[in-house]
Amino acid sequence: EDQVTQSPEALRLQEGESSSLNCSYTVSGLRGLFWYRQDPGKGPEFLFTLYSAGEEKEKERLKATLTKKESFLHITAPKPEDSATYLCAVQGGGSNYKLTFGKGTLLTVNP
Amino acid sequence: DTAVSQTPKYLVTQMGNDKSIKCEQNLGHDTMYWYKQDSKKFLKIMFSYNNKELIINETVPNRFSPKSPDKAHLNLHINSLELGDSAVYFCASSPIPVPPLRGGARTPYEQYFGPGTRLTVT
Repeated sequence: EDQVTQSPEALRLQEGESSSLNCSYTVSGLRGLFWYRQDPGKGPEFLFTLYSAGEEKEKERLKATLTKKESFLHITAPKPEDSATYLCAVQGGGSNYKLTFGKGTLLTVNP
Repeated sequence: DTAVSQTPKYLVTQMGNDKSIKCEQNLGHDTMYWYKQDSKKFLKIMFSYNNKELIINETVPNRFSPKSPDKAHLNLHINSLELGDSAVYFCASSPIPVPPLRGGARTPYEQYFGPGTRLTVT
């Protein structure tokens, strides 16, 4: 069964203090790894898809990287508006394209 | 021009009642999902429909019945509501092809989520 573990559960940063979130996974035949952002009271918002080891994707202050066992979401010089829960999910090679989510990392950026 | 919409946003009801949540997507996708997010924020898949055909059913009580009148709509009907059904329910859609590819290229397909329906059973 596919599994996703995210760490830390919560992270508190000062504005401008860069850091990384971790997503470790086990999956049968990785089709893709996805990062989402979820704000309180809203649905998850798609950020990135990664599907091969060594791949990197960037969007504003966020950069996602992928290895064969884990993914990192690097946040450079974060701002308070980056505060949210960041979710990682994997999609295995089966024909149902199911996504398995981690429990997320709650990021708080203080001004 | 909301991509994935759900109604209602909030639903408060008593144990034993039957209720429905509606979902519509205007992205032209053929695959839609229902997820449950519990109090610990864990997001777990319940059902998936690909062009109105059920392709995922994740050990959900048969009190929950999805209905897909067309590929742009996936509604969730819940019978005999219980306290443990209280959660946030999310609808999602994905551009997975019809029928789903078996073998061949391992293309990843992202999912796009609706705003959620907070269900409270009292």
